[in-house]
Amino acid sequence: DAEITQSPRHKITETGRQVTLACHQTWNHNNMFWYRQDLGHGLRLIHYSYGVQDTNKGEVSDGYSVSRSNTEDLPLTLESAASSQTSVYFCASSPNLGEKLFFGSGTQLSVL
Amino acid sequence: RKEVEQDPGPFNVPEGATVAFNCTYSNSASQSFFWYRQDCRKEPKLLMSVYSSGNEDGRFTAQLNRASQYISLLIRDSKLSDSATYLCAVNSAGTASKLTFGTGTRLQVTL
Repeated sequence: DAEITQSPRHKITETGRQVTLACHQTWNHNNMFWYRQDLGHGLRLIHYSYGVQDTNKGEVSDGYSVSRSNTEDLPLTLESAASSQTSVYFCASSPNLGEKLFFGSGTQLSVL
Repeated sequence: RKEVEQDPGPFNVPEGATVAFNCTYSNSASQSFFWYRQDCRKEPKLLMSVYSSGNEDGRFTAQLNRASQYISLLIRDSKLSDSATYLCAVNSAGTASKLTFGTGTRLQVTL
């Protein structure tokens, strides 16, 4: 079955380190998204992509970057991890504009 | 004003009860609306899309009120297994595929 997978499931890192979270989907969806979820804030959009070589900033993009070199993957990079980036990160994809999102199982990131 | 707002709850209801949640949105041009269910520490999963004419899926009914800019979710005959957080999602202004989520409404169904 097609799916969307995130790795790692859990990550502990130190402030200042570069961290990359992986997201891979096998649905061949054009649209991919990264959200973070924190208590009191809900899901907030970090970056998104509508296709290969396309990337866009979301509402909380500072300190994060993404790249889209193929349809299946949208890795999220924290250039220099900060304690404020401790969160649960969800990747999602959708086949067409305006359609529902399918989420990965999330990555719990702790920055110490 | 937030783009999408929900009452965080918790809503504590006995098994068998009917419960309803509302979700308000600020952009009158929004076109796509969804309800997601999220269990503790898990990923959100689509519960149902919300159509203009309203739609039903078993014990769940979703409605859209464009004039007042809110969507609603009604759960009839609540089950213990309905205990979860319910997130509404609305497409953002100008970009149909970029969903903005509410912070969620927590439902606890008790015996």
